[in-house]
Amino acid sequence: AQKITQTQPGMFVQEKEAVTLDCTYDTSDPSYGLFWYKQPSSGEMIFLIYQGSYDQQNATEGRYSLNFQKARKSANLVISASQLGDSAMYFCAMSRGDGGFKTIFGAGTRLFVKA
Amino acid sequence: NAGVTQTPKFQVLKTGQSMTLQCAQDMNHNSMYWYRQDPGMGLRLIYYSASEGTTDKGEVPNGYNVSRLNKREFSLRLESAAPSQTSVYFCASSEAGTGVYYGYTFGSGTRLTVV
Repeated sequence: AQKITQTQPGMFVQEKEAVTLDCTYDTSDPSYGLFWYKQPSSGEMIFLIYQGSYDQQNATEGRYSLNFQKARKSANLVISASQLGDSAMYFCAMSRGDGGFKTIFGAGTRLFVKA
Repeated sequence: NAGVTQTPKFQVLKTGQSMTLQCAQDMNHNSMYWYRQDPGMGLRLIYYSASEGTTDKGEVPNGYNVSRLNKREFSLRLESAAPSQTSVYFCASSEAGTGVYYGYTFGSGTRLTVV
């Protein structure tokens, strides 16, 4: 069965510093996708970044990068130069390669950015 | 604005009452999803519709029914609400078969309380 684990319930980071949010996954599928979503206090879910299981390079989107270590089954999110607006809940997610119809989510990590 | 629209945003029900959560997307996506979000548990898939005319169970379908009314609309019905169904409900959409690549677009959520 597939599983996503986020072991950090809460994280603090100083403004302008980088922070890494941990995510490990478990799957026996050879093809899968890994995602990070942001949920601000307003409640909406915002797609941040995607990594495919066959991608050779780590995904990057602006200040977000996904540190993909396939052998370790980890997909950590790195946020560089943290901003106050980055304070939010962050969810790691995984979908199967057969169309991505059943995406599963981790429990989330709440990030607090300090001024 | 293009996106996923959910109604209502808030609802309080008494145990045993029924209600339907509405979801509509104007992104011309083929696939639509219903998730529930509970504290400490991330998002869990209730039902999904891979394409118009099809629906399938997700991880937690008990107590719910869905209808894919047309390509744009996907509704979630609670026939006899229970306190355990108190949650935040999210509707999402994606292009068929590409949910593994591009992530989902989420609605703003419905906060449901069953007393």
